[in-house]
Amino acid sequence: EDKVVQSPLSLVVHEGDTVTLNCSYEVTNFRSLLWYKQEKKAPTFLFMLTSSGIEKKSGRLSSILDKKELSSILNITATQTGDSAIYLCAVETMAGTASKLTFGTGTRLQVTL
Amino acid sequence: KAGVTQTPRYLIKTRGQQVTLSCSPISGHRSVSWYQQTPGQGLQFLFEYFSETQRNKGNFPGRFSGRQFSNSRSEMNVSTLELGDSALYLCASSPGNHGNEQFFGPGTRLTVL
Repeated sequence: EDKVVQSPLSLVVHEGDTVTLNCSYEVTNFRSLLWYKQEKKAPTFLFMLTSSGIEKKSGRLSSILDKKELSSILNITATQTGDSAIYLCAVETMAGTASKLTFGTGTRLQVTL
Repeated sequence: KAGVTQTPRYLIKTRGQQVTLSCSPISGHRSVSWYQQTPGQGLQFLFEYFSETQRNKGNFPGRFSGRQFSNSRSEMNVSTLELGDSALYLCASSPGNHGNEQFFGPGTRLTVL
């Protein structure tokens, strides 16, 4: 059975801190790894990673995939209160022509003033 | 482009009843996936539909079923509701080509009493 594990489960930091969220996976037929941010409602897409060692960046957020270690990290620098959310990691796997996403349980990040 | 829409947004049912949830994907997207989100289990994959065919299925009992129409809109049905079915049900759409990120709707919050 495919498994995605995120750590830590929750985190409280002060505004301006840098945080690193972790995602590790054990899956069959890996295709890609995705990061989502979920505030009150729908998860919103952050990054998709398919190649190992290539960093993706968007403003203060960045992510990198390590296919050898079967893991990924999401970094957020100079955190702001608006970064408070649940961060979800998902791994896309292939089964024939079909694909599916397996999600981790998420890391709940709270940024305080 | 309009985003993914889901109806209804909230629903209260009693044990033993059945329920139908609806999802309209982003225009042009042909793949719709359904997920169940609970505090304890996180986001769990239910099934994916592409061009009116179920392309992939998660590990849920047969009480959970779905379908997709020719305009790509999708419905999910849960029969003989149980208390444990209380959850946020999210649908996500993508163009359908593997490797494309999924865009989530706001979800339907189902409460079973």
